Amino acid sequence: DTAVSQTPKYLVTQMGNDKSIKCEQNLGHDTMYWYKQDSKKFLKIMFSYNNKELIINETVPNRFSPKSPDKAHLNLHINSLELGDSAVYFCASSQEGTVLGGYGYTFGSGTRLTVV
Amino acid sequence: AQSVTQPDIHITVSEGASLELRCNYSYGATPYLFWYVQSPGQGLQLLLKYFSGDTLVQGIKGFEAEFKRSQSSFNLRKPSVHWSDAAEYFCAVGAAGGSYIPTFGRGTSLIVHP
Repeated sequence: DTAVSQTPKYLVTQMGNDKSIKCEQNLGHDTMYWYKQDSKKFLKIMFSYNNKELIINETVPNRFSPKSPDKAHLNLHINSLELGDSAVYFCASSQEGTVLGGYGYTFGSGTRLTVV
Repeated sequence: AQSVTQPDIHITVSEGASLELRCNYSYGATPYLFWYVQSPGQGLQLLLKYFSGDTLVQGIKGFEAEFKRSQSSFNLRKPSVHWSDAAEYFCAVGAAGGSYIPTFGRGTSLIVHP
């Protein structure tokens, strides 16, 4: 009965490869997010989708491309992986109403990406 | 733009002792404030949030936080810490302007001694 589930949990890959991370939520929330957590635990917003529409696209290399086939799913595809992409990537969801991000997030358990 | 500071990188307490984790924010109006907890290998879990009203907010797992506008603070407290509370704690501030997307602090690592 996981509320926000991400796959895979661990991902080890070589530089230059292309990889995807998948996220699904069964909470009926209308907004989903991707966050990146670096080695010092700093959390940075990458993208946000509301009802399948991209609403936030922070300064992220265009090698990162999110895709939301429906409001319960948000995937992250990364092209030409670089060493600096190594991090933990979190998916989150929320029910927004009029305050984007204001009601708190439900996070997935994260995907630890290691680029070698 | 809003910002948040968690002055303590690590806090060590003994089991059963009281706890206070500090959070200071910078924002011109009343912010939205949150505390999250991250256990090792897990995602973040929302402990509590403040939007308006009563400045003392009760959360899950026996935590509470108090919003003090005069000090621009939103400190997290627990009267008696359990070993299972050892985790990383994040304060976040959202603002009623722009995208409202919360900004997270750098986190405070809580270590609990038996």
